[in-house]
Amino acid sequence: LAKTTQPISMDSYEGQEVNITCSHNNIATNDYITWYQQFPSQGPRFIIQGYKTKVTNEVASLFIPADRKSSTLSLPRVSLSDTAVYYCLVGSGNTPLVFGKGTRLSVIA
Amino acid sequence: EAGVVQSPRYKIIEKKQPVAFWCNPISGHNTLYWYRQNLGQGPELLIRYENEEAVDDSQLPKDRFSAERLKGVDSTLKIQPAELGDSAVYLCASSPGGALYYNEQFFGPGTRLTVL
Repeated sequence: LAKTTQPISMDSYEGQEVNITCSHNNIATNDYITWYQQFPSQGPRFIIQGYKTKVTNEVASLFIPADRKSSTLSLPRVSLSDTAVYYCLVGSGNTPLVFGKGTRLSVIA
Repeated sequence: EAGVVQSPRYKIIEKKQPVAFWCNPISGHNTLYWYRQNLGQGPELLIRYENEEAVDDSQLPKDRFSAERLKGVDSTLKIQPAELGDSAVYLCASSPGGALYYNEQFFGPGTRLTVL
């Protein structure tokens, strides 16, 4: 059973910023929040991981509020190639990663 | 650096036939995972190896599924006999060694199995 809840799907126009929010009300103290991206016919790809506050890399930003019960993946200025399924996961390394159904992002020209 | 390699990419078999999938993880990665992904769902863990030892196979249907990683490098996942419900994508992933489920795992492209 996935420990996270996220929207089933989202649509966005090219060039817009996309924010995908994930709820993880039962996150444990040792858990990190991790996001994966999956394109059709490919395996998931690690995007970003954080524990608290904000993390940014060349692909995305991850915002985590103080209570850590939710997180938001932010994709700046999306393009058609960002159309994919995005998975939010929580885990500490002591337990297997549990993938939910993810959020299917469709970017429209 | 080469990523996780899986073969074949596609396999079509009739039910009750055996099938095997092969995975070669990233060089130096001691931890290897096999996942199954059904259409519209996220990947589900089947088994995790630390080197050649299967340290978590609680989700592997042992009546028909088996896996091995004899030399602690590449691995084979087998289904015998296959059933219609086994149609799915079988993903292999690897991560650096240790007694942990690393959150950053590197996935291969998967093998799409169709059982007729």
